[in-house]
Amino acid sequence: EAGVAQSPRYKIIEKRQSVAFWCNPISGHATLYWYQQILGQGPKLLIQFQNNGVVDDSQLPKDRFSAERLKGVDSTLKIQPAKLEDSAVYLCASSRGVSGELFFGEGSRLTVL
Amino acid sequence: AQSVTQLDSQVPVFEEAPVELRCNYSSSVSVYLFWYVQYPNQGLQLLLKYLSGSTLVKGINGFEAEFNKSQTSFHLRKPSVHISDTAEYFCAVSDPPGGGNKLTFGTGTQLKVEL
Repeated sequence: EAGVAQSPRYKIIEKRQSVAFWCNPISGHATLYWYQQILGQGPKLLIQFQNNGVVDDSQLPKDRFSAERLKGVDSTLKIQPAKLEDSAVYLCASSRGVSGELFFGEGSRLTVL
Repeated sequence: AQSVTQLDSQVPVFEEAPVELRCNYSSSVSVYLFWYVQYPNQGLQLLLKYLSGSTLVKGINGFEAEFNKSQTSFHLRKPSVHISDTAEYFCAVSDPPGGGNKLTFGTGTQLKVEL
């Protein structure tokens, strides 16, 4: 069974530029999550989708971050414009149900200069 | 809101020695508890989880954890570590059904196994 796929693995941009990350969850997993992991901290949930609907986006900085999950499968997370403090690893995860077992991708590391 | 405290940011240990990584959580209501491991430049992998039942939970790679409700703790243990256990370990908590399956993570403990 293929795992959660993310791209790109690494991205370096200047502040005020835009960036987009892509995630393809495990087949059949209805729930998809985006987490932000800043160096030295634990992952923080940005947004949770159930199929193609948003369950929780309370910690998403909506003035600059946006995310969508078209057709309830792939998802894209966008940052525009980026700030220095957005430098982090962006982790995508998916789960089948509510048992709490999330399967994580390898992450997309963003560096904002 | 839930919170998780991992008191030790780094734990050095010699190979074949036992190790305990500490985790305390804030909630006094029913919760689900997890330990994840993150190897360098990789995503998080589930080590073990407590949902209900026996308070001693066994996971992969010889790790186990004990749920202690009175102390709101979920410490991770391994009787004999290997070099390959060097990684970052995250404790996480989520609400039971109705909480939306959202995980709150601790800040992580870097386990460094030395020869």
